[in-house]
Amino acid sequence: DSGVTQTPKHLITATGQRVTLRCSPRSGDLSVYWYQQSLDQGLQFLIHYYNGEERAKGNILERFSAQQFPDLHSELNLSSLELGDSALYFCASSESTGMNTEAFFGQGTRLTVV
Amino acid sequence: AQKITQTQPGMFVQEKEAVTLDCTYDTSDQSYGLFWYKQPSSGEMIFLIYQGSYDEQNATEGRYSLNFQKARKSANLVISASQLGDSAMYFCAMRGLIQGAQKLVFGQGTRLTINP
Repeated sequence: DSGVTQTPKHLITATGQRVTLRCSPRSGDLSVYWYQQSLDQGLQFLIHYYNGEERAKGNILERFSAQQFPDLHSELNLSSLELGDSALYFCASSESTGMNTEAFFGQGTRLTVV
Repeated sequence: AQKITQTQPGMFVQEKEAVTLDCTYDTSDQSYGLFWYKQPSSGEMIFLIYQGSYDEQNATEGRYSLNFQKARKSANLVISASQLGDSAMYFCAMRGLIQGAQKLVFGQGTRLTINP
């Protein structure tokens, strides 16, 4: 158990809908990263938050947004969903933003858009 | 640009043999971290081992070791005495500054299959 909790584990929704994925980082971790993993693909970096502030953006669509709350949990909002958004969404947390700090991943949320 | 390259899409190894998974990286930074993760068929990402760019010794964690060759920009994962449970996808990753922001970037992965 990595200590990172993601909910829900599975989500099935229709095209055009909006969903919210939730991530609770490990206790004490200030950094939260979101990644998207499509079928047979590597992990695509979406966004990074540190202590409530956005620090870096990757290939995140405008239909997607995220935030990190004062209690350090984070939410990834996906709207106007398309079939191609079906993927495994991971959240990872780390203690700091130091280069030499490992990131620990949650179990992921498997999103299926039908 | 920061990039991670894993050139082996798939590998097949006999149980109990050692296996080396290749990873090369590209960065102009002096300070960076290199990581390996395992993703079994169940989907979770499991942290295996880490190597800092300033570490002079190769990292070791149980049966996992990281063969770090800084001049060649390679960070190969070595699994000794492979087990059936080692069958999984393996991802190499690097934390570094990309376009002025710190990111953790992953390679495309290597699917390792251990045969009995």
